[in-house]
Amino acid sequence: SAVISQKPSRDICQRGTSLTIQCQVDSQVTMMFWYRQQPGQSLTLIATANQGSEATYESGFVIDKFPISRPNLTFSTLTVSNMSPEDSSIYLCSVAEQGRDQPQHFGDGTRLSIL
Amino acid sequence: DAKTTQPNSMESNEEEPVHLPCNHSTISGTDYIHWYRQLPSQGPEYVIHGLTSNVNNRMASLAIAEDRKSSTLILHRATLRDAAVYYCILNSLGLDKLVFGAGTILRVKS
Repeated sequence: SAVISQKPSRDICQRGTSLTIQCQVDSQVTMMFWYRQQPGQSLTLIATANQGSEATYESGFVIDKFPISRPNLTFSTLTVSNMSPEDSSIYLCSVAEQGRDQPQHFGDGTRLSIL
Repeated sequence: DAKTTQPNSMESNEEEPVHLPCNHSTISGTDYIHWYRQLPSQGPEYVIHGLTSNVNNRMASLAIAEDRKSSTLILHRATLRDAAVYYCILNSLGLDKLVFGAGTILRVKS
């Protein structure tokens, strides 16, 4: 299965600042996703990162707050903009081949705390 | 999105089998049933998936009811390392995305 690396693994940021999280995969993949996991909660899908085009955002998430890039088939970034304490979460990247019978593989996430 | 229902938590003894149930009464004929687990401080890990027939792999077995309205993840011999949150998720036609519910917290006692 694909090996996914996320950077940074954790960070503490000041409110009002922005942070860019990187997701690197060791092989080309069709689908890349970004999730958020708030403390003690399950995972919520933020968006699907599309290569060469704008990401597809889920309800409640907007591009201005969570801009996403995907320049190629092995790399994506998620930026958390103008952060507030409510953005303190774990942000996870996952990858899969296209198809509902394809498993997703996850990175270990970025633990973000906003002061 | 088709919904799944799982018990909030379950407890098992080490080295005994564990049966984790999942109800999905609104499943459609083309929905795949996926199971993932999340160990503490890690991202979710794929466990197994199936469509209609029972499935086995090195990690677990998946038993799917004949009417497909429920399924059971079977860990044949639980170990302390199996303590995790287990998620049962339906992957629907045309979506290629996973919608996570609350999952089942599995505790394993030594």
